[in-house]
Amino acid sequence: EDQVTQSPEALRLQEGESSSLNCSYTVSGLRGLFWYRQDPGKGPEFLFTLYSAGEEKEKERLKATLTKKESFLHITAPKPEDSATYLCAVQGLTQGGSEKLVFGKGTKLTVNP
Amino acid sequence: DSGVTQTPKHLITATGQRVTLRCSPRSGDLSVYWYQQSLDQGLQFLIQYYNGEERAKGNILERFSAQQFPDLHSELNLSSLELGDSALYFCASSVGGSKTDTQYFGPGTRLTVL
Repeated sequence: EDQVTQSPEALRLQEGESSSLNCSYTVSGLRGLFWYRQDPGKGPEFLFTLYSAGEEKEKERLKATLTKKESFLHITAPKPEDSATYLCAVQGLTQGGSEKLVFGKGTKLTVNP
Repeated sequence: DSGVTQTPKHLITATGQRVTLRCSPRSGDLSVYWYQQSLDQGLQFLIQYYNGEERAKGNILERFSAQQFPDLHSELNLSSLELGDSALYFCASSVGGSKTDTQYFGPGTRLTVL
């Protein structure tokens, strides 16, 4: 069964203090790893898709990387508006015809001014 | 704005009742997914439809059912509601047919069962 574990569960940073969030996964035949941002009471907002080990993608202060066992979301010089819960999800071959996503429980990031 | 719409935004009802949640996918998307998010469980996949046909089922209770209509909008029906059904219900859509498609989520419906 596909599994996703995110760490830490919560992270508190000062504005400008860079850090990384971890997403470890177990999946048979990774087809895609997805990062989403979710604000309280709102729907997940798509950030990145990574397809193969070694791939990297960047958007503003965020950079996502992928290895064969984990993905990192690096946040450079974060601002208070980056405060949110960051979700990691995978799609694998074992799901048959389904394209369902298996999600981790998320990392709640708080950036203090 | 993802382009996925969900109604209603909030729903408060009593145990034993039945409710219907509605989702309109992004223009051109053929796949619709339903997810449930509760505080302790995170986002859990319930069911997927692709172009009107059921494609996959996840952890969906027998009291719950869904369908996708010819115009591709979808409805999730929840019946014999229990307190534990209180959660956020999200609909997502994707172009469909490929495991590498990105899923775009709607704003959700918050269901409170009293």
